[in-house]
Amino acid sequence: GAVVSQHPSWVICKSGTSVKIECRSLDFQATTMFWYRQFPKQSLMLMATSNEGSKATYEQGVEKDKFLINHASLTLSTLTVTSAHPEDSSFYICSARDYRLAGAKNIQYFGAGTRLSVL
Amino acid sequence: AQTVTQSQPEMSVQEAETVTLSCTYDTSESDYYLFWYKQPPSRQMILVIRQEAYKQQNATENRFSVNFQKAAKSFSLKISDSQLGDAAMYFCAYRTRGGGGSQGNLIFGKGTKLSVKP
Repeated sequence: GAVVSQHPSWVICKSGTSVKIECRSLDFQATTMFWYRQFPKQSLMLMATSNEGSKATYEQGVEKDKFLINHASLTLSTLTVTSAHPEDSSFYICSARDYRLAGAKNIQYFGAGTRLSVL
Repeated sequence: AQTVTQSQPEMSVQEAETVTLSCTYDTSESDYYLFWYKQPPSRQMILVIRQEAYKQQNATENRFSVNFQKAAKSFSLKISDSQLGDAAMYFCAYRTRGGGGSQGNLIFGKGTKLSVKP
């Protein structure tokens, strides 16, 4: 299957600082990227959806000024957690797909996730 | 709105045996996709199997197969000849088929933790 690279895999930062997480599709063009948050032993919670070149669409309850998403190219999306606080500590997962592909090829692929720890 | 329900928080199976994970969903749409994803301890989400709702034939991928009952809105996953490496969280997911752009994000169930006993 297609590969989605997510970096870094683990980041520790001080409260009040900003953290950027990168998500790259390595062998396909990601017209659409999704950002999820996963709490321990829970399912994935969709935070936002972004189409290349457009503003991200945030799910209800997700602060767009806190979680900045940029999807400037067909292979790269970034999530910036601004002024991070301990309650932002979580596991963040990106996912990508090419919605132009038909049928069985229209699959959503996932990055390996980023563990964010805010001290 | 669509919902996905996995009623088994945890399951256990003996190595080499067969186990079935349950999933039900609710939707008013007639055409959609259903998926099973596996999340091992590494937390990398891995696609296990997918089913297109318009296809009556149940999908199979080696030791993994599904029992898709469209009228009952049921989509169970059967793992045959279970292996230690199958131990993971398994998530059932739904996605609408229609539309383009940002439409069609995955809707996940809460997951089933599968343990495999040697």
